[in-house]
Amino acid sequence: GENVEQHPSTLSVQEGDSAVIKCTYSDSASNYFPWYKQELGKRPQLIIDIRSNVGEKKDQRIAVTLNKTAKHFSLHITETQPEDSAVYFCAASILKVYTGNQFYFGTGTSLTVIP
Amino acid sequence: NAGVTQTPKFRILKIGQSMTLQCAQDMNHNYMYWYRQDPGMGLKLIYYSVGAGITDKGEVPNGYNVSRSTTEDFPLRLELAAPSQTSVYFCATSTGGGYGYTFGSGTRLTVV
Repeated sequence: GENVEQHPSTLSVQEGDSAVIKCTYSDSASNYFPWYKQELGKRPQLIIDIRSNVGEKKDQRIAVTLNKTAKHFSLHITETQPEDSAVYFCAASILKVYTGNQFYFGTGTSLTVIP
Repeated sequence: NAGVTQTPKFRILKIGQSMTLQCAQDMNHNYMYWYRQDPGMGLKLIYYSVGAGITDKGEVPNGYNVSRSTTEDFPLRLELAAPSQTSVYFCATSTGGGYGYTFGSGTRLTVV
């Protein structure tokens, strides 16, 4: 099956700096890559996603890039704020109509934004 | 519109006991999933369902069972609880077709 690796496992940045989290995947058939933010004790929440036919996607301070050839994708957060502190998970999925979209998750990155 | 509702939020089980984790959704999503989240690890898929009456195994199905008699409900059954099943369990739904999951609030289970 698919194997998703995520780095770094922990990341500390000063408020206002940028944060980058990287993920690699093994199955070249994967075609959908969501990112989730999980605050302590809360459920994961989808923050951005990208499909394999797109190289980059932005939503305000958050952007995701995808390199299909190298099989890696990254989350970029600019102008970080203390409320960005959370655990971030990447995932890869092969979209199939009759099996839904099973996600394979990375092990998470704990981001701390220092005021 | 409650979204995805999981019960209970917390539970302590003794080794060998059984229990059912409940998951209910009111979004009319066809696809439902059960994941477990262990400390420092990503989420692992236990079972999933693409519609009422259809279920299938994920990455880590051993020790669990599911059923899907209605679109709304997708309970997860632990028959003989073991310490290795201590985890946080998340139910999730999706419409399929390339959209992300909506997660429930989770059930924190401890087996002692």
